[in-house]
Amino acid sequence: DADVTQTPRNRITKTGKRIMLECSQTKGHDRMYWYRQDPGLGLRLIYYSFDVKDINKGEISDGYSVSRQAQAKFSLSLESAIPNQTALYFCATSGQGGTDTQYFGPGTRLTVL
Amino acid sequence: GENVEQHPSTLSVQEGDSAVIKCTYSDSASNYFPWYKQELGKRPQLIIDIRSNVGEKKDQRIAVTLNKTAKHFSLHITETQPEDSAVYFCAASGGSNYKLTFGKGTLLTVNP
Repeated sequence: DADVTQTPRNRITKTGKRIMLECSQTKGHDRMYWYRQDPGLGLRLIYYSFDVKDINKGEISDGYSVSRQAQAKFSLSLESAIPNQTALYFCATSGQGGTDTQYFGPGTRLTVL
Repeated sequence: GENVEQHPSTLSVQEGDSAVIKCTYSDSASNYFPWYKQELGKRPQLIIDIRSNVGEKKDQRIAVTLNKTAKHFSLHITETQPEDSAVYFCAASGGSNYKLTFGKGTLLTVNP
């Protein structure tokens, strides 16, 4: 869906650098999520936010932080990148209902050298 | 927390055959079970979902079944076509926060 966008789409960085991945959505959804995808490991939840004032850790939050700047924007930061954070990162959004569909952004491929 | 197991990890079928992917979950409070399809280089997209008050749901060539007693659910694709080739993820959510827990995915290859 073009309604969920991520920047950058690809990024190569070095160990120890600070990196920010950004997600924007025009769906008007309150809920936003950050996932990490690694081959053979599926999609793992890093952080999620149910509204601007609500931030929650997912199953693999260590080494990551997030900021919900507005309803439409949710950023993921790696304060000091390490090689095992090399992965494909997806942002997703959903409505307020507990069973609402999650819509994914196009993904950001991050490589940490 | 919730744990979702998905099998098989890879599945190869001939065009026109059926494909079945199975998932089990651990949290009896889970009540929403979506399936996502991810084509190569693309984002995951919802293809079908089922809620715990329903045992089976169909959408053209795709069906999902749910057995809450056994805590497992399955995706069935009939008359497979090459464009069905993709990675399929099951997921489960429920309880107080409705965050999705995904299985590790199944790479389905449909051979012409």
